[in-house]
Amino acid sequence: SQQGEEDPQALSIQEGENATMNCSYKTSINNLQWYRQNSGRGLVHLILIRSNEREKHSGRLRVTLDTSKKSSSLLITASRAADTASYFCAPGGSNYKLTFGKGTLLTVNP
Amino acid sequence: KAGVTQTPRYLIKTRGQQVTLSCSPISGHRSVSWYQQTPGQGLQFLFEYFSETQRNKGNFPGRFSGRQFSNSRSEMNVSTLELGDSALYLCASSLEFGNTIYFGEGSWLTVV
Repeated sequence: SQQGEEDPQALSIQEGENATMNCSYKTSINNLQWYRQNSGRGLVHLILIRSNEREKHSGRLRVTLDTSKKSSSLLITASRAADTASYFCAPGGSNYKLTFGKGTLLTVNP
Repeated sequence: KAGVTQTPRYLIKTRGQQVTLSCSPISGHRSVSWYQQTPGQGLQFLFEYFSETQRNKGNFPGRFSGRQFSNSRSEMNVSTLELGDSALYLCASSLEFGNTIYFGEGSWLTVV
């Protein structure tokens, strides 16, 4: 399966700092998606990066993908308290099934 | 345009009862999938439907079932509820393979 494993499991930073979280997976993928989940809410889609892309930006978010290392990273610049949430990566393979890891719990302290 | 809509948002059921959850995908999306999220097991895939056909199924007992209608709306049903079925049930939709998968806000099910 294409389960993503996020690292670290928890990250605590101050407002204004950058936050970097990583994702590793085991099999080849077609794309990889990053999601944010606020406590008790649904998953909000952040970015989809395809296997032939190396980097993608969206506002304060920057995602990189290294298929040779089977890893991806999500960088949030100038973090805000509102960025406090769990972040999940979802490697996409040959079907629609997404297999999630435990996520990274990001806490941004004001 | 409207996102993925799930109803009801919250419900409480008694052990042994059954429950039906509903999901309306984003307009034009034909793939609908369901996930269960619990503190212990995390996010787990239940099943995925495309054009009224179940294409993928996760490792859940037969008490968990679903269907998709011709307008792509989907329902999932859990029969003979157990305490362990208490969870956030998330529905997701996608236009086609390889595209972004969007999630709804979920249905919180509490079994007492």
